[in-house]
Amino acid sequence: QTVVTQEPPFSVSPGGTVTLTCGLNSGSVSSDNYPSWFQQTPGQAPRTLIYKTNIRSSGVPDRFSGSILGNKAALTITGAQADDESDYYCLLYISADIWVFGGGTKLTVL
Amino acid sequence: EVQLVESGGGLVQPGGSLRLSCVASEFTFSNYWMHWVRQAPGQGLVWLSSINGDGSRAAYADSVKGRFTISRDNAKNTLYLQMNSLRGEDTAIYFCAREINRGASWGQGTLVTVSS
Repeated sequence: QTVVTQEPPFSVSPGGTVTLTCGLNSGSVSSDNYPSWFQQTPGQAPRTLIYKTNIRSSGVPDRFSGSILGNKAALTITGAQADDESDYYCLLYISADIWVFGGGTKLTVL
Repeated sequence: EVQLVESGGGLVQPGGSLRLSCVASEFTFSNYWMHWVRQAPGQGLVWLSSINGDGSRAAYADSVKGRFTISRDNAKNTLYLQMNSLRGEDTAIYFCAREINRGASWGQGTLVTVSS
């Protein structure tokens, strides 16, 4: 069974930089997994931040960036702001049109 | 602006069925893959199913394979999810989303509650 791994709850100071990662229990994440990142606050629909590893979705500030770091996908927030406090989910393409979400990381800005 | 509006949720007994709809507007619906994603109360997002633009290809998560069926009617700009043999663990908000690899747009979701 494919499991996509994300960090447990994380905190960052206002103005700080944080990198969240997304791994695969079965091996390395690559651009062939088309990593996407989503932001969600309670009671709201998800918002797409990044798709295809590093493409910012329309309207997403450039303080959000995506990459492959080592064997994982990564989302970096540079200059964190209070309203970045959210749950962050990654999504990976596995194969045969199947996708799997990570369990999410709750980010606190304080 | 892309709009996706889900409907069809509600309260259903275990073992029952429900069909969700997602009406799309402001884009050429038939040109896009579409997805269903759900979120149980207090839990994370779970990808359920996808379908290609002409409806000829569909894929499912193991948790719903054989019970749920995704389909689309491009003439009506509508995506469907037929859900059969529903269980308590299917209780969730169900979201439709437009093509992940083009920067997915999301609907606001519809709540499905499976309970006796």
